[in-house]
Amino acid sequence: ETGVTQSPTHLIKTRGQQVTLRCSSQSGHNTVSWYQQALGQGPQFIFQYYREEENGRGNFPPRFSGLQFPNYSSELNVNALELDDSALYLCASSLDVGGPYEQYFGPGTRLTVT
Amino acid sequence: TQLLEQSPQFLSIQEGENLTVYCNSSSVFSSLQWYRQEPGEGPVLLVTVVTGGEVKKLKRLTFQFGDARKDSSLHITAAQPGDTGLYLCAGAAGAQKLVFGQGTRLTINP
Repeated sequence: ETGVTQSPTHLIKTRGQQVTLRCSSQSGHNTVSWYQQALGQGPQFIFQYYREEENGRGNFPPRFSGLQFPNYSSELNVNALELDDSALYLCASSLDVGGPYEQYFGPGTRLTVT
Repeated sequence: TQLLEQSPQFLSIQEGENLTVYCNSSSVFSSLQWYRQEPGEGPVLLVTVVTGGEVKKLKRLTFQFGDARKDSSLHITAAQPGDTGLYLCAGAAGAQKLVFGQGTRLTINP
């Protein structure tokens, strides 16, 4: 069974640029959620995709957008990067949207905005 | 807004000691998970508790879900240096998301 993978591992961008982060879900999982984890904090929910449709969104501005593909892999896009976007971005996959909502996380992408 | 408060935020103890980490909220959660996160890695799921009052044991770790499903605790017996890490509790807030606490950074000194 293949776990959740994310790419790239690290990324450095300049304020105002755009970035795309990628996630491959665990085999058999059809739901992907994205989280932002600032240094010293717990992860914050950005949004979730279920069968290629957005299925819920946290308190993040529209410049955070996403996609899910037919193979259930996913992308997180962030436009007009700001310094506060520097964080660890985590992707988590789960099977369907039913309980108990166990999510399995990838290793994350560390984004630094300068 | 559903919030989870973890305490303590930092804990440093000697090998062999016992410890308890608390996760509290004013909101009811349908389930609660505990994760452990190592530096540079994603959180790894330790346990899920679903029923109020439920107790689950994972070797030296004991997890309890409060009767009202608003709080949880993690107790570690005879802590070992390998237990060092960031422990996160997360409540299921509807079908879409997990609400995480801010984490407890645990250091076990040999």
